[in-house]
Amino acid sequence: NAGVTQTPKFRILKIGQSMTLQCTQDMNHNYMYWYRQDPGMGLKLIYYSVGAGITDKGEVPNGYNVSRSTTEDFPLRLELAAPSQTSVYFCASSSQGGAGETQYFGPGTRLLVL
Amino acid sequence: AQSVTQLGSHVSVSEGALVLLRCNYSSSVPPYLFWYVQYPNQGLQLLLKYTTGATLVKGINGFEAEFKKSETSFHLTKPSAHMSDAAEYFCAVSLGSGNTPLVFGKGTRLSVIA
Repeated sequence: NAGVTQTPKFRILKIGQSMTLQCTQDMNHNYMYWYRQDPGMGLKLIYYSVGAGITDKGEVPNGYNVSRSTTEDFPLRLELAAPSQTSVYFCASSSQGGAGETQYFGPGTRLLVL
Repeated sequence: AQSVTQLGSHVSVSEGALVLLRCNYSSSVPPYLFWYVQYPNQGLQLLLKYTTGATLVKGINGFEAEFKKSETSFHLTKPSAHMSDAAEYFCAVSLGSGNTPLVFGKGTRLSVIA
């Protein structure tokens, strides 16, 4: 049981390039989330999904896209990388979406846009 | 909308001393409250959470937190700090029903001095 896995661990992008951050969970969780973490700012929700085929925007969705074709996978797409997207990205999942549910986090992807 | 304020971006304690990390929230309805810990270069993991019932919540690694509605606080404590407690700690709040996203505080970095 690996939990939530993310790839790559680290990536350097040039401005304008695109990439996909991968996230996979093996806990059969319905709910999945993408956060970004900037120094001193805590975590901000980018997108979330309540099940396969269903996604919704979080607090900071601009510049990102997501899809959810399977229960296990929730990739995050950056189409035109900008320096403001330099951050650490965390994927998380939870079995239910209720307010008291525990979210389980992946190890993160560190992205540097130059 | 709910929000979380963590007092002190950096707290330093001596090994064996009391750990106190402060968290205050704002919410118009009873909240669900969480403390997550992030060790260097890792994802977040749940320390403890308050949903309903007993207001003193015990978590992993000897940490506990008390929900005080009158003070809108959920401070994290540990009687005796250990070197392995050095990490970043995040308070988070969620409320309502359905898929209510977590709102995170900005985090408090705990240093433990030998």
